[in-house]
Amino acid sequence: DTGVSQDPRHKITKRGQNVTFRCDPISEHNRLYWYRQTLGQGPEFLTYFQNEAQLEKSRLLSDRFSAERPKGSFSTLEIQRTEQGDSAMYLCASSLSPSGPEAFFGQGTRLTVV
Amino acid sequence: QKEVEQNSGPLSVPEGAIASLNCTYSDRGSQSFFWYRQYSGKSPELIMSIYSNGDKEDGRFTAQLNKASQYVSLLIRDSQPSDSATYLCAVSPDSGTYKYIFGTGTRLKVLA
Repeated sequence: DTGVSQDPRHKITKRGQNVTFRCDPISEHNRLYWYRQTLGQGPEFLTYFQNEAQLEKSRLLSDRFSAERPKGSFSTLEIQRTEQGDSAMYLCASSLSPSGPEAFFGQGTRLTVV
Repeated sequence: QKEVEQNSGPLSVPEGAIASLNCTYSDRGSQSFFWYRQYSGKSPELIMSIYSNGDKEDGRFTAQLNKASQYVSLLIRDSQPSDSATYLCAVSPDSGTYKYIFGTGTRLKVLA
């Protein structure tokens, strides 16, 4: 499979625990994006990387959230001290800059905080 | 705050009819416009992209852009039950950066 891969697909955690999600982009794509989608809403931009550099972070990305993309390949998104409001689908997308015509989305990680 | 507005629906059309989905955006400097389709529990998949005023056709899909009115639409001809999904309008501030601002999506139901 050469698409964007996310792991795990589902995660249930207790409030206050830390969780980490992984995204493997399409291999030649140098840009990687994280979005969050809650039920009935469109995805909201969180952050994006070009290679290993994190170029922009949304105000939505509180101090409890951190994202990394070491070596410019896969990326991780960590949420510390999870809250019930963090329950959402976390989507990763990748694109080829500057000529790529679109961003391709992974299947997402559904997080449920209980 | 930059916004993208869509009617959440559901929009119900009979099989074979034309479905018309609409979207308005607030940032006049937006450069790139996209329609994504999202089936329940799945990730968004690109249907159409459009960058300049006018119409762009791809098979049964036509995207229309009017930057002066800050309006973008998607027409689906000969609608099929398999088109039943949520259609997300996405706007990007520049070409090449997919830091999308999404609308809430319009749920389309095609009735057999």
